[in-house]
Amino acid sequence: AQKITQTQPGMFVQEKEAVTLDCTYDTSDQSYGLFWYKQPSSGEMIFLIYQGSYDEQNATEGRYSLNFQKARKSANLVISASQLGDSAMYFCAMREAYSSASKIIFGSGTRLSIRP
Amino acid sequence: AAGVIQSPRHLIKEKRETATLKCYPIPRHDTVYWYQQGPGQDPQFLISFYEKMQSDKGSIPDRFSAQQFSDYHSELNMSSLELGDSALYFCASSPGQGRETQYFGPGTRLLVL
Repeated sequence: AQKITQTQPGMFVQEKEAVTLDCTYDTSDQSYGLFWYKQPSSGEMIFLIYQGSYDEQNATEGRYSLNFQKARKSANLVISASQLGDSAMYFCAMREAYSSASKIIFGSGTRLSIRP
Repeated sequence: AAGVIQSPRHLIKEKRETATLKCYPIPRHDTVYWYQQGPGQDPQFLISFYEKMQSDKGSIPDRFSAQQFSDYHSELNMSSLELGDSALYFCASSPGQGRETQYFGPGTRLLVL
């Protein structure tokens, strides 16, 4: 069965520092997609970044980058120069093998708090 | 850019009542997903539709049903509501057959009293 593990329930980081949120996954599929979503206290689920299992380059989106280590089955999110607005819950997620309307499974999340 | 629209944003119901949640996907997105997020939990997949046909089914109670209409909007119907149904219900949409990123709506917060 596919599974996403986020081992950091909560993290505190000083503003302007870089932060790495850990994510490991388990799947027997060769084709899969990995996502990071941000959920602020207001509740919405905001897409941040995507990495396909066959992508050779690590994905980057502005201050977000995904450190994809396929052999280790890890997909850590790196946020550079953190800002107060980055305080939120962050979910790592995986889409099952490509099929019609593949569902996403989520990890338990990491609550990130940025200190001024 | 247009986002996924969900209505209502907040809903309060009594036990045993029914509720209907609506979702309007991003234009040209033909795939819709429903997720349920209980307090302090991660979102759990309920059901998905591609081109108006049910595509995948997760942990959706038999009391719940959903459909996707010709204009691609979707409705989640919930009957005989229970206290445990109180949650944040997300709709997400994607173009194509699930190979793309799923973009989530703002959610409908349902409270069952």
